[in-house]
Amino acid sequence: VKLVESGGAVVQPGGSLRLSCTASGFTFSAYAMSWVRQAPGKGLEWVSGLSASDDETYYADSVKGRFTISRDNSKNTLYLQMNSLRPDDTAVYYCAKDVTGIVGAMGYFEFWGQGTLVPVSS
Amino acid sequence: SYVLTQSPAVSVAPGKTARITCGGNNIESKSVSWYQQKPGQAPMLVIYYDTDRPSGIPERFSGSNSGNTATLTISRVEVGDEADFYCQVWDTSSLHPVFGGGTKLTVL
Repeated sequence: VKLVESGGAVVQPGGSLRLSCTASGFTFSAYAMSWVRQAPGKGLEWVSGLSASDDETYYADSVKGRFTISRDNSKNTLYLQMNSLRPDDTAVYYCAKDVTGIVGAMGYFEFWGQGTLVPVSS
Repeated sequence: SYVLTQSPAVSVAPGKTARITCGGNNIESKSVSWYQQKPGQAPMLVIYYDTDRPSGIPERFSGSNSGNTATLTISRVEVGDEADFYCQVWDTSSLHPVFGGGTKLTVL
């Protein structure tokens, strides 16, 4: 199992960025996926989750209306479109694999990528 | 929303037993997972369903959950176990996962 995040870059407040998470080593289309972030020196914060069938999405209140999660099962890739970025969105963003196709069905994440850093700064 | 509380730091000598706690209201009614995060690395699942270990995780790692406290126990602690540890549950009211603030394990 391998998850590789990409797309992290320095972005100005108010700007946009799209992160990608490319999966390999498992049947990507069968599993729900999530994004979890970690601000520098801080703990883990779940951001968003998406079902395997791409029909159920969930967002943390802190990003609702600004971030959009999506997936392309033909490319084994998960995305996070981030708009109206704020300095407090600065974090390492990890993608995490669920255990089933339903977000949170088993209640834990069995595998994580190495993360991509998104600094939001002017 | 549901809140998980962890002590910021735990110190233990090599070969001894470390206990890292995670407090939450009636947490015993929830399924607790634990993740280990070494510096510069991604989190790694070490315990799920309160007590189960993924393949490859040493038997020295064990978990329990009772009342308002879940506990991760690491027996015969090794220097290589130094890391931040996070507990996590699924909050059925908000329909999203909740993480504790993390505990830094230092092996003296």
